Amino acid sequence: QTVVTQEPSFSVSPGGTVTLTCGLSSGSVSPSYYPSWYRQTPGQAPRTLIYNTNTRSSGVPDRFSGSILGNKAALTITGAQADDESDYYCVLHMSSGIWVFGGGTKLTVL
Amino acid sequence: EVQLVESGGGLVQPGGSLRLSCAASGFTFSNCGMSWVRQAPGKGLEWVSVIGGSGINTYYADSVKGRFTVSRDNSRNTLYLQMNSLRAEDAAVYYCASITCAYWGQGTLVTVSS
Repeated sequence: QTVVTQEPSFSVSPGGTVTLTCGLSSGSVSPSYYPSWYRQTPGQAPRTLIYNTNTRSSGVPDRFSGSILGNKAALTITGAQADDESDYYCVLHMSSGIWVFGGGTKLTVL
Repeated sequence: EVQLVESGGGLVQPGGSLRLSCAASGFTFSNCGMSWVRQAPGKGLEWVSVIGGSGINTYYADSVKGRFTVSRDNSRNTLYLQMNSLRAEDAAVYYCASITCAYWGQGTLVTVSS
């Protein structure tokens, strides 16, 4: 069973830049995994930030960007703001046809 | 405006069944593969099932395979999830989403309890 890995927690200073990653327990992430990124605050539905590796969803500011860094998918947030404090999830598409979410990263802005 | 509106959640006893629906609007529904994603209280997101735009191809997480069935009616722009043999661990908020088209609903709560 393939596991999608994310940092359990991360912190960033206001105005700073942070890169969250999304990897595989075995193998490398490539664009063929169609990595997508979501932000979720407590009690709210997830909101799509990035899909298909680096496409920003409608209305998402350009300080959010997606890429492949090394063997992982990455979400970079520049100019971090207090309301970026959320849970961030990635999801990958497997060759078997299923999707697998990572465990999520809790981002703290302080 | 894109909208995905889930319905059909509620309280069901262990071993029971429930059918969730997701009404889509504001985009070409048949162009998008549609997934069900769930989130148990205090837990992360768990992908449950996906159905291709034509409705032919379906895939399931191992945790629900053989118990849940995903379907869609493109003439009604509606996605369904038939859930049978429900277990306590199926209790969650169930979201309708298109990962590839980047759309999410607001979710419907399923509670499994006697």
